[in-house]
Amino acid sequence: GENVEQHPSTLSVQEGDSAVIKCTYSDSASNYFPWYKQELGKRPQLIIDIRSNVGEKKDQRIAVTLNKTAKHFSLHITETQPEDSAVYFCAAHNFNKFYFGSGTKLNVKP
Amino acid sequence: DVKVTQSSRYLVKRTGEKVFLECVQDMDHENMFWYRQDPGLGLRLIYFSYDVKMKEKGDIPEGYSVSREKKERFSLILESASTNQTSMYLCAILLGTGGGYTFGSGTRLTVV
Repeated sequence: GENVEQHPSTLSVQEGDSAVIKCTYSDSASNYFPWYKQELGKRPQLIIDIRSNVGEKKDQRIAVTLNKTAKHFSLHITETQPEDSAVYFCAAHNFNKFYFGSGTKLNVKP
Repeated sequence: DVKVTQSSRYLVKRTGEKVFLECVQDMDHENMFWYRQDPGLGLRLIYFSYDVKMKEKGDIPEGYSVSREKKERFSLILESASTNQTSMYLCAILLGTGGGYTFGSGTRLTVV
């Protein structure tokens, strides 16, 4: 089955800096890669996604890149703000199932 | 927007008890999932269902079973609760092909 690895497990940045979270996957059949943000005590929420036929997608301060050859994808947050502090999960979609990374706890220091 | 409701936010159960966790959606989505979430392990798939009375094992089905008698309701059952089943349980539905998930608000289960 699919295996998704996510790094780093924790990330601390100063407000205004950029943050990058990286994920790798093992199965080339995976074709859809969403990212979820989970604030403390709340459910995970979809923040951005990318499909395997696209290399990059951007939504305001958030962007995701995908390298199919290397089987890795990354989340980029620019101009970080304290409200970006949360746990972020990557996922890979494969045969109607999602496989999740272990999560990255992002702390944005004011 | 679709709404996914988990009936209990917090539960405390004793070892050996049979535990039912309920998940209800307010639309007609076919695919429903149960995950457990543990620190450092991310979300791990327990069971999923792609239609009424249909179920498939996920990655960690041991100690769990599920029931889907109606399309809108997907139940997770802990046949005999154990302390290693203390966790956050999240229900999710698939928003069409490649459409991501919508999650329920979660049930934090403590087994003592």
